[in-house]
Amino acid sequence: NAGVTQTPKFRVLKTGQSMTLLCAQDMNHEYMYWYRQDPGMGLRLIHYSVGEGTTAKGEVPDGYNVSRLKKQNFLLGLESAAPSQTSVYFCASSPAESRETQYFGPGTRLLVL
Amino acid sequence: EDQVTQSPEALRLQEGESSSLNCSYTVSGLRGLFWYRQDPGKGPEFLFTLYSAGEEKEKERLKATLTKKESFLHITAPKPEDSATYLCAVRAAGSGGSNYKLTFGKGTLLTVNP
Repeated sequence: NAGVTQTPKFRVLKTGQSMTLLCAQDMNHEYMYWYRQDPGMGLRLIHYSVGEGTTAKGEVPDGYNVSRLKKQNFLLGLESAAPSQTSVYFCASSPAESRETQYFGPGTRLLVL
Repeated sequence: EDQVTQSPEALRLQEGESSSLNCSYTVSGLRGLFWYRQDPGKGPEFLFTLYSAGEEKEKERLKATLTKKESFLHITAPKPEDSATYLCAVRAAGSGGSNYKLTFGKGTLLTVNP
């Protein structure tokens, strides 16, 4: 049981490049979330999903898109990366019966030059 | 707007020296207050959920308490392995997307020296 896994662990992008971050969970959780964590700030919700095929905007959605084609996967896309998107990105999931208890992945460190 | 303030920002203790971390919050209808532990380079690890004032939860050397305005994370006789950043988060009553949103504090960096 791997829990929540994230790919890649670290990535460097140039401004304007695109990339996709992959989150996978093997706990059969209904809900999945993408957060970003910046120095001196709390975790902020980017997008979330309440089930396969559904997505919704969080607190800071601009510049990001997401997709949840399969229940176990939640993808975060950056179409045109900007230096302001340099951050550590965390994926989390939670079960339907206890959705407020979120389980986090190890994070992806992204540097946009 | 929901707000979570954690204090102190950093705390350095000697092994065995008990202390408390504070999380004060402003939220329109608390649906839950959460404590997480985050080790360097890792994702947050869930510790506790508190739902109502007066509630307490314990796990090993950690004890979390909740009042109507704040929560405390008490650390009794800490060990070096308790060193980490402790995050507090709240979920507010609301409709639509706010039901799923956790508002996090900036965390308290705890260092326990041997």
